[in-house]
Amino acid sequence: GQQLNQSPQSMFIQEGEDVSMNCTSSSIFNTWLWYKQDPGEGPVLLIALYKAGELTSNGRLTAQFGITRKDSFLNISASIPSDVGIYFCAGQRSYNTDKLIFGTGTRLQVFP
Amino acid sequence: DTAVSQTPKYLVTQMGNDKSIKCEQNLGHDTMYWYKQDSKKFLKIMFSYNNKELIINETVPNRFSPKSPDKAHLNLHINSLELGDSAVYFCASSHARPGLSEQFFGPGTRLTVL
Repeated sequence: GQQLNQSPQSMFIQEGEDVSMNCTSSSIFNTWLWYKQDPGEGPVLLIALYKAGELTSNGRLTAQFGITRKDSFLNISASIPSDVGIYFCAGQRSYNTDKLIFGTGTRLQVFP
Repeated sequence: DTAVSQTPKYLVTQMGNDKSIKCEQNLGHDTMYWYKQDSKKFLKIMFSYNNKELIINETVPNRFSPKSPDKAHLNLHINSLELGDSAVYFCASSHARPGLSEQFFGPGTRLTVL
């Protein structure tokens, strides 16, 4: 099945650094979602994006819906140890009950 | 206050057995999903129900049968379990309205087939 390409695959950073990750697709999506998954838990929704070019923040997190509708970006500013986890992008082609297509994940490790 | 709950959290069973996983959501959503996450953490949709009606059925072996007794529940029954069925299974739910279709996930059920 289709998966979205997410990069980087993993990141090892120092506490306080900023983080950027992105997600690309060969298809157009109408919705982009960003999730974080902690070990042994389900994905938790961070940010939802519904319009091309949209820029949305949630605390230290900022995500953007790419203008081409084929990509999305997530930035984390001033990382802290609890930011550790796997970050997934997910795209949805229609606005309602369409399935989510998930990215391959970015594994973030933050060192104090 | 649990939004999407699943039972059991862990399930260890022998090959060939039949098992069920239950999911309940108290968010008032009308759409529920089952996803499978493999050992490489790839998340893939299996099924989706809207108002108790099956609307998404990916290429899943027919040993997997979802059942939705009402809008708040979506159970997954698996017959004749195989080694390759070992994975974490996530239930999720959402509204079916434009701009409100964020999916919320349960804590997962880790299935191990021996």
